[in-house]
Amino acid sequence: SQTIHQWPATLVQPVGSPLSLECTVEGTSNPNLYWYRQAAGRGLQLLFYSVGIGQISSEVPQNLSASRPQDRQFILSSKKLLLSDSGFYLCAWSVPGGGKLFFGSGTQLSVL
Amino acid sequence: AQSVTQLDSQVPVFEEAPVELRCNYSSSVSVYLFWYVQYPNQGLQLLLKYLSGSTLVKGINGFEAEFNKSQTSFHLRKPSVHISDTAEYFCAVSEVDSSYKLIFGSGTRLLVRP
Repeated sequence: SQTIHQWPATLVQPVGSPLSLECTVEGTSNPNLYWYRQAAGRGLQLLFYSVGIGQISSEVPQNLSASRPQDRQFILSSKKLLLSDSGFYLCAWSVPGGGKLFFGSGTQLSVL
Repeated sequence: AQSVTQLDSQVPVFEEAPVELRCNYSSSVSVYLFWYVQYPNQGLQLLLKYLSGSTLVKGINGFEAEFNKSQTSFHLRKPSVHISDTAEYFCAVSEVDSSYKLIFGSGTRLLVRP
């Protein structure tokens, strides 16, 4: 069966510090991978998605970047965090053409 | 560009009463429509989806939704709710020819009271 792992679950970082959130998927090959963010009081927002290794599409211009160094690994990064980067980050995967998204457990990021 | 509107941020309802959670979308192309549920302290899970065919879609836990193309709506309904249905419900839309990236609404919190 397929599983998705996302870590850490919570993170408190000072403004200006770097960020690295990691997401891995097991039990499937060549998944579509996604990073979503849910800011306080707002809906889920798609940040990045990837249909293959090294293929990253950015949906929202921002302070964040994503990389996919391996087929089932998706990393969300920032060189210098801003206060506005605080929020709940969700990694997700889907089988291409399947439509159904499977989400990780999320990372609550607080930038202080 | 697509957008999804969930007009109600919170819907309080008594147990065993019927409920409707509203969802409207805008898109210039054909779309797939989804309802996701997020139970407290859990990740999102798919409740139901409309891809094609019958406009009345039945999902898990007794929920159903009806796709109305003329009104660009996809409202979620349940005839009798339980305490355990208390959760955040997200409507989402995806373009038919995209790589299934989803645009989510802001969510509706269903609060079921005894």
